[in-house]
Amino acid sequence: GDSVTQMEGPVTLSEEAFLTINCTYTATGYPSLFWYVQYPGEGLQLLLKATKADDKGSNKGFEATYRKETTSFHLEKGSVQVSDSAVYFCALSDRGSNYKLTFGKGTLLTVNP
Amino acid sequence: EADIYQTPRYLVIGTGKKITLECSQTMGHDKMYWYQQDPGMELHLIHYSYGVNSTEKGDLSSESTVSRIRTEHFPLTLESARPSHTSQYLCASRMDRGRDSPLHFGNGTRLTVT
Repeated sequence: GDSVTQMEGPVTLSEEAFLTINCTYTATGYPSLFWYVQYPGEGLQLLLKATKADDKGSNKGFEATYRKETTSFHLEKGSVQVSDSAVYFCALSDRGSNYKLTFGKGTLLTVNP
Repeated sequence: EADIYQTPRYLVIGTGKKITLECSQTMGHDKMYWYQQDPGMELHLIHYSYGVNSTEKGDLSSESTVSRIRTEHFPLTLESARPSHTSQYLCASRMDRGRDSPLHFGNGTRLTVT
């Protein structure tokens, strides 16, 4: 079946540091890939997505590239801010799970001033 | 931003009570979902619906039930709440079930059963 493995947290960084959160996946078919963000006390929001190999999704300074050869979709940001403190979820949608989203376990990011 | 609303935001209730968590969306989406989020943040799909009068159980067994009488409304009911039901419940919807279609989430209901 489909699965998503993402970097275990928590991750703690200083403001303006570089961020990478690793995400790898296993899928039956050709999935679409997503990153969601959950700020404290809120639901999940779509951060970015990519639907085919070598696509780069980007939003709010975050980027992730769909790497089919390594089955990865790592999230990166060049300079994090305190306001980026949140939980980040990697997810995929694929025919193997009847297109229901499969989520990773989430990575808690804390950015200190 | 997506227009999907959950009420109440917080609920503290005693064991044995019946509760209904409300979820409504104004986007006309056919596909709706309920997730349970445990304290470790992991999300578990407990129910979903692909349209009016269609409901299915998700990957995680749940004692809750759902109904879908109107497209915009997808309430979740617990007939007899127990402390093990204490969790955050997130409702979501999407335009279609194609692989490119993202989920839109509500802000959740945090349920505490004492």
